[in-house]
Amino acid sequence: DAKTTQPPSMDCAEGRAANLPCNHSTISGNEYVYWYRQIHSQGPQYIIHGLKNNETNEMASLIITEDRKSSTLILPHATLRDTAVYYCIVTRYTGNQFYFGTGTSLTVIP
Amino acid sequence: DAGVTQSPTHLIKTRGQQVTLRCSPKSGHDTVSWYQQALGQGPQFIFQYYEEEERQRGNFPDRFSGHQFPNYSSELNVNALLLGDSALYLCASSYKTGYQETQYFGPGTRLLVL
Repeated sequence: DAKTTQPPSMDCAEGRAANLPCNHSTISGNEYVYWYRQIHSQGPQYIIHGLKNNETNEMASLIITEDRKSSTLILPHATLRDTAVYYCIVTRYTGNQFYFGTGTSLTVIP
Repeated sequence: DAGVTQSPTHLIKTRGQQVTLRCSPKSGHDTVSWYQQALGQGPQFIFQYYEEEERQRGNFPDRFSGHQFPNYSSELNVNALLLGDSALYLCASSYKTGYQETQYFGPGTRLLVL
């Protein structure tokens, strides 16, 4: 499975959009991009996933570049409860075993 | 609709002992994966069970074994515990569709080996 690169940490002001980047330059055609977050030693929480089109749900938006080599998770109006470690994962579509990196630690500042 | 549940929440063992952790998948899910998360690290894949068989395995020694029951629940067993086995153990469930399979994680079991 393709490896991902994420910045180790980011800050975001409360109420502003948080944009979390992920580089996955070796992604192959049948691999999905998944985003999870983990709030202080709880189990990872599923946020969103996509293949090549941009996706939006009630939690976030996922923007995937046309060449699929990078993506951005957007939390439109960050709150203090969004403070967490965010993981970007690239995985094959079936029989997937998720390879987590060290993620991005997002701190939302009041 | 209950999500993924795990038991116990916390456990303390000593080196050399054996431990069994349990996981009940989300309703409607048939596949269970186990992950180990050391402090400050991302989760690492241990293995995945589907149809009561181990389907995939990560880079973990044979001391780590598992089982899946007909009701899709699963156990993770670790023998001859080492200090380095201290970690948060996460269970994730999914439904095998033949294409994208989103995994949903439980709250984890925190194991401390003394």
